[in-house]
Amino acid sequence: EAGVAQSPRYKIIEKRQSVAFWCNPISGHATLYWYQQILGQGPKLLIQFQNNGVVDDSQLPKDRFSAERLKGVDSTLKIQPAKLEDSAVYLCASSFGQPEAFFGQGTRLTVV
Amino acid sequence: QKEVEQNSGPLSVPEGAIASLNCTYSDRGSQSFFWYRQYSGKSPELIMSIYSNGDKEDGRFTAQLNKASQYVSLLIRDSQPSDSATYLCAADYGNNRLAFGKGNQVVVIP
Repeated sequence: EAGVAQSPRYKIIEKRQSVAFWCNPISGHATLYWYQQILGQGPKLLIQFQNNGVVDDSQLPKDRFSAERLKGVDSTLKIQPAKLEDSAVYLCASSFGQPEAFFGQGTRLTVV
Repeated sequence: QKEVEQNSGPLSVPEGAIASLNCTYSDRGSQSFFWYRQYSGKSPELIMSIYSNGDKEDGRFTAQLNKASQYVSLLIRDSQPSDSATYLCAADYGNNRLAFGKGNQVVVIP
C-alpha cells in the first residue's frame, strides 16, 4: 500500500512570496490533515478535512494560509504571503475513520 | 487545542537498558493515545496506540495508560542504537484530531 505522498520535499522562498504544497493521501483514507512542525516542537494541526469538507481549521492563519481538497482526495496548502516565522516542516497525514494518522515525508519550508 | 506535555529533557541510555518516557494530557475526554517515533529529518511514525487503562506490549515497547492521572508512558526495553530518535506523545480530542507533545529525544549509547 502506497503511503502519503507530498511534494515538494524542500522549498526556499523569500518573505512575502507565495508557496504551495501538495498532498496525496493513502488510498481510501477519507480524513486528511495538514500539520505544521517547527523545529524542536511537536506537530500542530492546521486543518483537517473529512472527504472534501473542513472539520477543523481553527488554528489555520486564514489571513495568509489556505487549503483545499476539491475532489476529496488530493489536497493543496498555500501560504501567501510568507513570513519568516512560517519556516517549518509541513506534514500531511491521513487516516481511515480513526485517530491513528499516517504521515507523509513532509515539506521543509525555509523563508529567507 | 488541548495540551499534551512532555517535559523531560533528552534521555541518554546505555545500549540494552530500559528507556522510560512520560507524558500528561489535559483533556479528560481523550480516549485514544499514541506514541510516534521521529528520526531526525524524517516524519513521525506510529509505533504504539493505547485505549484502555493498563499496559500494552508490542515487542520491546510497552505503553502504559492511567486515565485517572491523565498520564501515558512508553517503555523501551533492551534499547538499541536504532531507537535513538524523538518520541512524540499524542492524545485525541474528538473528531479524530490529535494533539501532540513537543517530544522527548532518546539517545542510546553503544
